[in-house]
This record gives sequence, structure tokens and C-alpha cells, in this order.
Amino acid sequence: LAKTTQPVSMDSYEGQEVNITCSHNNIATNDYITWYQQFPSQGPRFIIQGYKTKVTNEVASLFIPADRKSSTLSLPRVSLSDTAVYYCLVGTSDKFYFGSGTKLNVKP
Amino acid sequence: GAGVSQTPSNKVTEKGKYVELRCDPISGHTALYWYRQSLGQGPEFLIYFQGTGAADDSGLPNDRFFAVRPEGSVSTLKIQRTERGDSAVYLCASSLSRGGTDTQYFGPGTRLTVL
Repeated sequence: LAKTTQPVSMDSYEGQEVNITCSHNNIATNDYITWYQQFPSQGPRFIIQGYKTKVTNEVASLFIPADRKSSTLSLPRVSLSDTAVYYCLVGTSDKFYFGSGTKLNVKP
Repeated sequence: GAGVSQTPSNKVTEKGKYVELRCDPISGHTALYWYRQSLGQGPEFLIYFQGTGAADDSGLPNDRFFAVRPEGSVSTLKIQRTERGDSAVYLCASSLSRGGTDTQYFGPGTRLTVL
């Protein structure tokens, strides 16, 4: 399993764009990159998934450079409700390595 | 539609006791996963089922932990001779099929406290 490295925590203000970068130097050719969000006392929730270049959905964008050794989750115009832990996962196998995630704190 | 449900939501037990944690996956999902999450840490993989069979149980910490999914739907995680170190939130997830590209849908978890 490819392990991932993320910042432990980040602070932001409402309305700002937040970018969380994840390093995954040992990513394998068949691995996909997936991001999950977790609120306290809840299970993780899928945000976005990609393989290369850029993926965008209604809540986020995912940027993946050509070497795929890192990825950046971009959250546009965050609100207080985006305060959560964000996990970057890499793999295609039937299990994921979550790591400790990035605790995002959005301030008013 | 209904999501993944887990029961009980909280379980308090004494050291040495036996516990069972239940997971009801989303209807039609063939893949089911169990994770354990300690405070301040990310979920840690325990076991994965494809249908009725345990396709990968490499994450189970020792032989006190066992999980079943006899009819390919509901799963039960069983812990024998519980220890204080087993205290954690146990999360269950299901996905439509196997493979890392399928979204895993998580339940709310069962908080296990071993006194």
C-alpha cells in the first residue's frame, strides 16, 4: 500500500479557497487517489477521486501532476461547515490506508 | 435511500468479555469493510468481504478478532476476551463492488469502551 503524507492541520477563513496537498511518492501505476471528509462522531464521506490531471465535481477539485507523486484537494470558498478532517487515500486494492488526515479549521 | 447502519452505537464492556458489533450495508453492495479508529487517528483497515467470504483479513490484529458475513449482507465483528486497548470506534463501510475505484460508504460507527 502506498502511504500518504499530509499536513496535520490547517486554518482558513470563511470564503477562502483551501488547498490541501498530499504526498504519495510510492504510488503505483494502477493506484487511484481518493479524498474523504470526516466530521466528529461520523464515518468518513467520499469527496472526490482521480487518476491524473484534474477532476472537478460540485464540491471540490483534485489536481494531480504528471508524476502523480502528490495531489492537491481544492475547496472553493469554504464555510464553517467545512471544518473537518480530510483524508487522502491511494490504492486500488480492497483496503485503504487512511493516515492521520488533515484537520481543517475554518474560522468566521 | 438507507445508508450503512451499525448497532449498537455505543458499547461498554468489561475486560475479558465477548462483544459483537453489527453492520447492515447498503442493499445490493457486495463489498463490506471493517475499520477501527482510535482517537486522533485515521481509520485502520481490519477486514474486507466480497460477498460471503473474507477476501482479506490481514488487518485483524490477532485471533481474538473475527468477522462473519454468512448471507452476503449483514456482517458481525466479534471480539473475544476484550482488552482495554480494544477501545475505539469500529467503522463499517460498503461499496457496490470490489476495487479501489468504488466509493466506500461508511456507517456512523460503534464506539466500544472496554473498562
